Amino acid sequence: QTVVTQEPSLTVSPGGTVTLTCASSTETVTSAHYPSWFQQLPGQAPRPLIYSSNTKNSWTPARFSGSLLGGKAALTLSGVQPEDEATYYCLLHFIGDPVFGGGTKVTVL
Amino acid sequence: EVQLVQSGAEVKKPGESLTISCKGSGYTFVNYWITWVRQMPGKGLEWVGRIDPRDSFSKSDPSFQGRVTISLDKSTSTVFLQWDSLKTSDTAIYYCARSFCSGGKCSDYWGQGTLVSVSS
Repeated sequence: QTVVTQEPSLTVSPGGTVTLTCASSTETVTSAHYPSWFQQLPGQAPRPLIYSSNTKNSWTPARFSGSLLGGKAALTLSGVQPEDEATYYCLLHFIGDPVFGGGTKVTVL
Repeated sequence: EVQLVQSGAEVKKPGESLTISCKGSGYTFVNYWITWVRQMPGKGLEWVGRIDPRDSFSKSDPSFQGRVTISLDKSTSTVFLQWDSLKTSDTAIYYCARSFCSGGKCSDYWGQGTLVSVSS
């Protein structure tokens, strides 16, 4: 089965910018994979942020943006806030079945 | 208001059967797929499967096929995730999510999660 890889952890300063990526072990990530991004705060259910590469869910703050970058899906957080400290998961849809990435823990420090 | 409300936590023994539920409200139930996602203790998210309420067509990840059954009751706008014989490795939080786009590839509203604990 295809493995979806994310950075295990990233640290960013408040007000800074950080980009998370989501790569496939078998193919270049494109819009056909319908990349989605989810935020999970400790002890809470995941919350969708982005779908179809770059479309924000209605509650997604403007500082979050999705894109395709260098054959990967990417989630950029601009003007990071302390409440953005969380684990972020991507999800890619393949011809077989969807696969989640392992998650990126973002620390705001 | 769109809501997905899941059934409460369960404590079971290995070999027992279990059905958990996810009830949708505040939207037209048949217009959206429902997806199930597993999160084992301290681990990441895993896609379990999804069902199309229009025709009850369901699809599960190969690693869950034969272990779980996804079904629904249109009359109550409820989707179910069922096990015939639980294993300790089924211990996890299970989330349901409303899905759209082609074949349910996008999601918006999620349930609060159901904790399933399996132990002898």
